Amino acid sequence: DSGVTQTPKHLITATGQRVTLRCSPRSGDLSVYWYQQSLDQGLQFLIQYYNGEERAKGNILERFSAQQFPDLHSELNLSSLELGDSALYFCASGEGDLSTQYFGPGTRLLVL
Amino acid sequence: AQTVTQSQPEMSVQEAETVTLSCTYDTSESDYYLFWYKQPPSRQMILVIRQEAYKQQNATENRFSVNFQKAAKSFSLKISDSQLGDAAMYFCAYWGYGGSQGNLIFGKGTKLSVKP
Repeated sequence: DSGVTQTPKHLITATGQRVTLRCSPRSGDLSVYWYQQSLDQGLQFLIQYYNGEERAKGNILERFSAQQFPDLHSELNLSSLELGDSALYFCASGEGDLSTQYFGPGTRLLVL
Repeated sequence: AQTVTQSQPEMSVQEAETVTLSCTYDTSESDYYLFWYKQPPSRQMILVIRQEAYKQQNATENRFSVNFQKAAKSFSLKISDSQLGDAAMYFCAYWGYGGSQGNLIFGKGTKLSVKP
C-alpha cells in the first residue's frame, strides 16, 4: 500500500458525460501527478500540481482539467467523454516538487 | 525530448532463476533519475528501485539490482531468485529536472512471466 488513495476504483459512463476522479496523496506529500494508461498510448503524464499550484502540463486534453485543494487532495475532471478516454487513470504523489513518485491504485474508466 | 525504450515486450524465467530486463534511454541532461516500476495483474504501480544518475554505484533492493551504464544510456534490472509473485509488467521510467519537468517518462513495458 503506497498511501495514495484514489476514488472511485471503477467508473462506467456514457459518451458526452462528465466525471470527476479524486486523489488523496500520502501524508506530507505536496505534489500530485496524474497519469493516463491506455493500451495504445501506454503511460502518459497529464498534469502536476505542487502545493495547490499547477506545476507542469503534459498531454492533457482541453476537455480535461484538474485542481489541487488546500488539504492537498486533487481532482481530475474529464468532460465531453469519448470512447477513446477509456483508460486507467493514476494519481501519484511526491514529497516535494521533484521527488520520487508513489502511485495510487488507479481509477478504471470505461466510456460506453 | 527524453525517450525510454524497452526492447523486450515479453520475457520468461524459471522460478528461482535470474532474469535481466533491458532499458535504454535518450537524454541530453546530465542529472536525472531512473526507476523501475512493477505493475502486477492488480494494475497497481509499485516502485521497485531507483537510481540517481550522479551515483556510480548500482542500486540494490533485496533481490532486485540494476546495471546502470551512464555513457551507454542503459539501465537494466536484474531479478535474482525469481518468485511467482514477480510475474508482472515492468516499466522503466526516466525523471529529469529539465525538459521533462519532473514528470516520469515511461517505456512501453516488459511483461515478465515466471514458470514454476
